[in-house]
Amino acid sequence: EVQLVQSGAEVKKPGESLKISCKGSGYNFSNYYIGWVRQMPGRGLEWMGIIYPGDPDARYSPSFQGHVTISVDKSITTAYLQWSSLKASDTATYFCVREYSQAFDVWGQGTMLSVFS
Amino acid sequence: SSELTQDPAVSVALGQTVRITCQGDSLRIFYESWYQQKPGQAPVLVIYGKNNRPSGIPDRFSGSSSGNTASLTITGAQAEDEADYYCSSRDSSGSHHVFGTGTKVTVL
Repeated sequence: EVQLVQSGAEVKKPGESLKISCKGSGYNFSNYYIGWVRQMPGRGLEWMGIIYPGDPDARYSPSFQGHVTISVDKSITTAYLQWSSLKASDTATYFCVREYSQAFDVWGQGTMLSVFS
Repeated sequence: SSELTQDPAVSVALGQTVRITCQGDSLRIFYESWYQQKPGQAPVLVIYGKNNRPSGIPDRFSGSSSGNTASLTITGAQAEDEADYYCSSRDSSGSHHVFGTGTKVTVL
């Protein structure tokens, strides 16, 4: 079964750092782009950025450039999304996605992040 | 701000047909995809490319596009189709993806 399995929910304080993960299985991980999508509480979907496992350089939405870092370790078929200094406004659910034919055909279950002091 | 615009909400009687639209300049160049999201769940891809349905998606879901407008049609809506629907495509630069503003579909 093709799937993306994300790390669990997180509760953090403003200013803290965080790295969440997304492990792919059931397919050739190296052959597909992996992206990240944000959904703030009660709001719509926002595309954050994407990375190709064979290329260390990610592409970011202008809205997220400089605020997050996307990386990948293809040896363990895992993609990451990280923050160096969290803000309360980062509170959201984050989904990883597999890109296929310009669409996102496989979604992780989501990682809920709460940031408050 | 999103470059793909959708109506916030539509309603449809059980068994009837509903069309959800998505407008944006990038749709003149790039294919759109459509996602269904039910409360508390991850979105699910329902249409991609030129009206392609992933395995397991009922054939009552179909997609079309003309000019700067893409449409998702549900023919014979079922109670389980009540959900939020999002379109997505590349942005005008082609370098990034973007999601539409989302449409809440209510089945009456």
